[in-house]
Amino acid sequence: SYELTQPPSVSVSPGQTASITCSGDKLGDKYACWYQQKPGQSPVLVIYQDNKRPSGIPERFSGSNSGNTATLTISGTQAMDEADYYCQAWDSSSPVVFGGGTKLTVL
Amino acid sequence: EVQLVESGGGLVKPGGSLRLSCAASGITFSNAWMSWVRQAPGKGLEWVGRIKSKTDGGTTDYAAPVKGRFIISRDDSKNTLYLQMNSLKTEDTAVYYCTKGYWAVAQVYLDYWGQGTLVTVSS
Repeated sequence: SYELTQPPSVSVSPGQTASITCSGDKLGDKYACWYQQKPGQSPVLVIYQDNKRPSGIPERFSGSNSGNTATLTISGTQAMDEADYYCQAWDSSSPVVFGGGTKLTVL
Repeated sequence: EVQLVESGGGLVKPGGSLRLSCAASGITFSNAWMSWVRQAPGKGLEWVGRIKSKTDGGTTDYAAPVKGRFIISRDDSKNTLYLQMNSLKTEDTAVYYCTKGYWAVAQVYLDYWGQGTLVTVSS
């Protein structure tokens, strides 16, 4: 089965850039997307098709995907961005595969 | 405004059954491919299964841990998605989310999520 690996936690200072990685075999050959989940809330799609933002998602959220790694980048990180972030991709073994999630802490 | 509202969660004993519902509004439900995703307490997201629109065949796919025990169905006349859960195990304890997805060749993303309903399997 296909696996996506994320770091359990990432810390960033307010105003700085946060990068969260997601690794998988030949992930760059697939489309990756990212979800944000704040405590007690449902996940929200923040990036789809590697680097597209849904309506209403701030421009400070961006994405890239190449080789074996997809990256979610948050520029000018704000306290409100503190959340769990999950990557997700499609695979023939299971249509929807999620990474284990990364807790972003804004210190 | 898109709304997905789950209901039907609760406490059930191991081996028991439960049916979840998801009422959809703000979307053309009959055209939507819908999925269930679950999240065990303090854990990550896990895809449960999907049902295609009837025009695309209405077929279902399931994750290995629930295959043969869970059944996804839909009633387009009621804009409602269902998850019938049988032979429940303690490891099925989770918040269950109803989601609408965009599905294309070798691609999927879940663009709308419900608020979730908690299922607790315990004796």
